[in-house]
Amino acid sequence: DTGVSQDPRHKITKRGQNVTFRCDPISEHNRLYWYRQTLGQGPEFLTYFQNEAQLEKSRLLSDRFSAERPKGSFSTLEIQRTEQGDSAMYLCASSWAGLTTGELFFGEGSRLTVL
Amino acid sequence: TQLLEQSPQFLSIQEGENLTVYCNSSSVFSSLQWYRQEPGEGPVLLVTVVTGGEVKKLKRLTFQFGDARKDSSLHITAAQPGDTGLYLCAGQSNYQLIWGAGTKLIIKP
Repeated sequence: DTGVSQDPRHKITKRGQNVTFRCDPISEHNRLYWYRQTLGQGPEFLTYFQNEAQLEKSRLLSDRFSAERPKGSFSTLEIQRTEQGDSAMYLCASSWAGLTTGELFFGEGSRLTVL
Repeated sequence: TQLLEQSPQFLSIQEGENLTVYCNSSSVFSSLQWYRQEPGEGPVLLVTVVTGGEVKKLKRLTFQFGDARKDSSLHITAAQPGDTGLYLCAGQSNYQLIWGAGTKLIIKP
């Protein structure tokens, strides 16, 4: 399978714990995005990377959230000291920067439930 | 702040009926994308429209980009239960994607 893969698909954690999600993008894609989505809403932008550089981070993103893409391939999104409001689907997407129309290819998402 | 408004938010119709969903903004976009998302999955790209007035067809789905590139519509002919899902539009502006909140579509057999 050469699509975007995310792991884990589901994560249940207690409030205050740290969680980490991993995303493996399509191998030829140099851009990688993280989004958050709650039920019945569109994706909310969190951050994106071009190669290993984090080029933009949403102002809505608290400092409990951090993302890395150390070698320009896979990425991790860590949430520290989780809160119940962090419960959501976390989506990863990748794209090729050479495409001016910017289509995104999404993974299946990682659903987080904070108890 | 750029916004994309989708309407209706929710639509439930019988199999075989036609429907149209809308994506509107006061901003101009260089391109606009439509995605479909099924429960528990990520969005899947359906189409990208680029030119004002452009019409693209994907089997029973017809996508149109407004002349001024501020709005778009998706028309489904003879809807089928397999069309059920969340339909999202996303407009590209200054290398950012602006997302609508989606139209939840249910097609009843």
